[in-house]
Amino acid sequence: IQMTQSPSSLSASVGDRVTITCRASQTINSFLNWYQQKPGEAPNLLIYAVSNLQSGVPSKFSGSGSGTNFTLTIGSLQPEDYATYYCQQSYSSPWTFGQGTKVEIK
Amino acid sequence: EVQLVESGGGLVQPGGSLRLSCAASGFTFSSYTMDWVRQAPGKGLEWVSYITSTSSTIRYADSVKGRFTISRDNAKNSLYLQMNSLRAEDTAVYYCARWSAYGDYRWFDPWGQGTLVTVSS
Repeated sequence: IQMTQSPSSLSASVGDRVTITCRASQTINSFLNWYQQKPGEAPNLLIYAVSNLQSGVPSKFSGSGSGTNFTLTIGSLQPEDYATYYCQQSYSSPWTFGQGTKVEIK
Repeated sequence: EVQLVESGGGLVQPGGSLRLSCAASGFTFSSYTMDWVRQAPGKGLEWVSYITSTSSTIRYADSVKGRFTISRDNAKNSLYLQMNSLRAEDTAVYYCARWSAYGDYRWFDPWGQGTLVTVSS
C-alpha cells in the first residue's frame, strides 16, 4: 500500500493552523497513524487509529479521515512543532509510511 | 520507563555483515511484537522487519529479504537484526520499535534512539 503525503514541505508562522494530507493507494479503513520527527531524534507517535491522541500529546494536534484520505491538523503552530510529520498505515504488511511533510518556519 | 536502546551499528564494507541489538526495558518484552525500521540519510522511514512475541511469525521488506534475519531472546529482553551481504543502499539509521496495539489497531511506540549503519568501502 503506497502512502502519499502532501505537501512535501510547507512554511508557516507561529500561530498558524496547519493541515497535512495523507492518501493511501487503497482503502485502509482507520488503520492510520501519525508520527513527528525532529532533527536528530527518533520518530514519536502523535496519533493512532486516525484520531486518537497518544498520551501526552497536546490537543492542538488532531486527525481525521477514513478509507483512503486522511488529515493531520495542528491547531496553532508553536516553535516546538517545527518538524517532519509522517503518516503510516497498519492495515496490511508491509507497513508503509508517507514520504514525510517538513514543517518549516516562515 | 519504557525504553529501547539499539547498539551494534558502524562502518562496514559492501558485502559485509553486521549484527544490531536492541535492549528493551520497562515493559513485558515477551508480550510484544517488535520491529526494525530504517531511515537513510535525509530520507523517509522504511519498515524493515517484524517478529511476533514468540517468534512464530517473521516478515521482511522485499528490499532485505534473504539478506537480513530478525530474532529475539525474551529471556534477555533483546531484539536482534543480523545483516548480511550489505549494500550501499542499506546505509541508514536503524530503529527498533515496539508494535503496540489496541484491539485491531496497531502502531509503533516507543522507538529507540537508533543506530547508524554505514556501508562503504
